[in-house]
Formats: sequence, C-alpha cells, structure tokens
Amino acid sequence: DADVTQTPRNRITKTGKRIMLECSQTKGHDRMYWYRQDPGLGLRLIYYSFDVKDINKGEISDGYSVSRQAQAKFSLSLESAIPNQTALYFCATSDSTHSSYEQYFGPGTRLTVT
Amino acid sequence: KQEVTQIPAALSVPEGENLVLNCSFTDSAIYNLQWFRQDPGKGLTSLLLIQSSQREQTSGRLNASLDKSSGRSTLYIAASQPGDSATYLCAVIGTGFQKLVFGTGTRLLVSP
Repeated sequence: DADVTQTPRNRITKTGKRIMLECSQTKGHDRMYWYRQDPGLGLRLIYYSFDVKDINKGEISDGYSVSRQAQAKFSLSLESAIPNQTALYFCATSDSTHSSYEQYFGPGTRLTVT
Repeated sequence: KQEVTQIPAALSVPEGENLVLNCSFTDSAIYNLQWFRQDPGKGLTSLLLIQSSQREQTSGRLNASLDKSSGRSTLYIAASQPGDSATYLCAVIGTGFQKLVFGTGTRLLVSP
C-alpha cells in the first residue's frame, strides 16, 4: 500500500462549488504539506502543518483552507472553486526527527474547475 | 527569496548516452537539495537527497553533486535508457522552516 494517499485522484467541478481534497499517510510523519503544480510554474506551497495544532500559510494560500484532523490526515478545501484553481495538487510529508527533512509525495489529485 | 532554475528545459538524447541536468539556486543558505522524477500525470518520486554538508550522492546510474557556495547542483545519468524518460525536478529546502522550493524541471526524452 502507498505510504501517502490522496483522494480523489481526479475531480471535475464547477465554478463556485466547495471541494475538499484529502490526504492520508501511514509513514508516521508529523509534518504535512499541500502543493499545487501548474505547467511552467513548478510546484508551489499552499499550506503546511508541523503538527496537529500548527498550521501555516504557504506562498499561495488565498482561496484555500486546510484542516489537520489527525497526525495522519491533512485535507485541503477550496471554498468557492474558480477556473484558475485548475491544477495538479500534491500532498507531502516529512519527519522532523529525521535530520534530512526529506519530503515524500502522494500521487496527486488532478482538479479541473469548469 | 529563493529561486531555483533548471537548464535545459527539455533534452532529447539517444539511448546509451551519458547526460547532465543542471540546477541552480540563488540563496546558498540551504539545508538540503532533492532531485525528483515525475512521469506524465503522475506523482513525484524522490531520487536523491543531498544534505548541505555533502558534496554528492549516488544511486545506481544516478549521481547528484552539490556546490553550495556557487548555488549549483547537477544530476548525472549514466548510460541513459528509454525508461529514464520523464521530467526531473530539483528542489531546495532553506535553513528556515524547511519549505521546498522547486525548479520548473527538465523534460528528458531518451530515444531507443
């Protein structure tokens, strides 16, 4: 089984709808991240969480919110989806007790907003 | 603000060639550097991680080097194969809160 899973893998939604993307991990890591990837722009950080009670905005948090329901679960919500939020979304985890801070990525969610 | 640049943006080589992918970053105060592979429409697979105190890391046919003072890293792929075709991403973590900053990638095509 994959260590970092994301659901759904693909989603098409309409402008104005609220949508939630979910991420779960079995790695036992304390840190979790949400990134989005756009063609030609690389991956950019949306939100990150260093533990259940520590949530921080990344560089492009406007229009998004997150919830860390448990150490293993981190969900990303689009309150009112707009077409320019069409992108590939990735969840990642890392372990603060490991000196490398290596990040491990889920398979991604392809979101299309029409 | 850290910026990461990867050159070339795309590369096409025949099978069997050795090749080098380049990554440069503007702020040398990094904690580590990761190289990833991404297949079309797929997630990221971590290939190699180099910590700031290291000069290089090797895994199979892959060798990554780091010159922190000059803000450069290279990924060397020996004896390339068609299965190596993918986009290769470089990312750095700063000494602050360990946020990954990504380059835009090099798209590699290895022809049989």
